[in-house]
Amino acid sequence: AAGVIQSPRHLIKEKRETATLKCYPIPRHDTVYWYQQGPGQDPQFLISFYEKMQSDKGSIPDRFSAQQFSDYHSELNMSSLELGDSALYFCASSLRQLGYGYTFGSGTRLTVV
Amino acid sequence: GESVGLHLPTLSVQEGDNSIINCAYSNSASDYFIWYKQESGKGPQFIIDIRSNMDKRQGQRVTVLLNKTVKHLSLQIAATQPGDSAVYFCAEFPGGFKTIFGAGTRLFVKA
Repeated sequence: AAGVIQSPRHLIKEKRETATLKCYPIPRHDTVYWYQQGPGQDPQFLISFYEKMQSDKGSIPDRFSAQQFSDYHSELNMSSLELGDSALYFCASSLRQLGYGYTFGSGTRLTVV
Repeated sequence: GESVGLHLPTLSVQEGDNSIINCAYSNSASDYFIWYKQESGKGPQFIIDIRSNMDKRQGQRVTVLLNKTVKHLSLQIAATQPGDSAVYFCAEFPGGFKTIFGAGTRLFVKA
C-alpha cells in the first residue's frame, strides 16, 4: 500500500542556507501536517494544510513557509537556517475530516552545520 | 498551555508479558487521539487511534482505552515482543488541525 513519502531522507546544510523538504501524501488524502522533532524532544506541530489551504498553524518560525500544491503534495521551505533547526521533520496526511487514515511519513533528517 | 503527558518515562517488561502505557490529556475538547511508536532515528509509526465517542478500540495485539471522565488514555500491548521496544507517544487533536504530542515513554522488552 502507498505510504506518505518524504524527500530527501537526509539533508545537510550550512548556516544561513535554505532547504526545501517535500511530502507526498497518500493518494486521495487531502490534508497534510508538518512536525519538527529535535533530538530527544517531543514532536512539535508546525503547520497543516487542507485542500491546498493553510488550515492551522503551530510553532512554525517566520523563516519557514509551506504550501500544498494542486496534486496535494506539500513543501516546507526553510530559510536562513540556524543550528537549532537541526531536527527530524516529518509530515503526516489524512483524508477529509481530521484523523481519518492519519499516516506518518518516515521523516527528513536535517542537519545544519 | 495545554499538554498531553505520559505518566512513566520508562517501562521495562518481560517478553511475553502485557504492557500498559498511560497518557493524560488536559483538553476536554479533544475529539481524536492516536498512539504511535518511534524507533531510534526513525519516523513515527502509527499504532492505533480512537475517537472521543468511543471508550475502547482494539487492534492487532494492541488496545487503546479512553476515559474521558479523568482525561486518560492507555495503550495495552499484549504478549510484548522485543520488536515492541521503542518510544511510545500519545497525541491529541484538540480541534482544527493542530496536534499536541506528549512526552514519550520508552518501552524496554527483556528477553
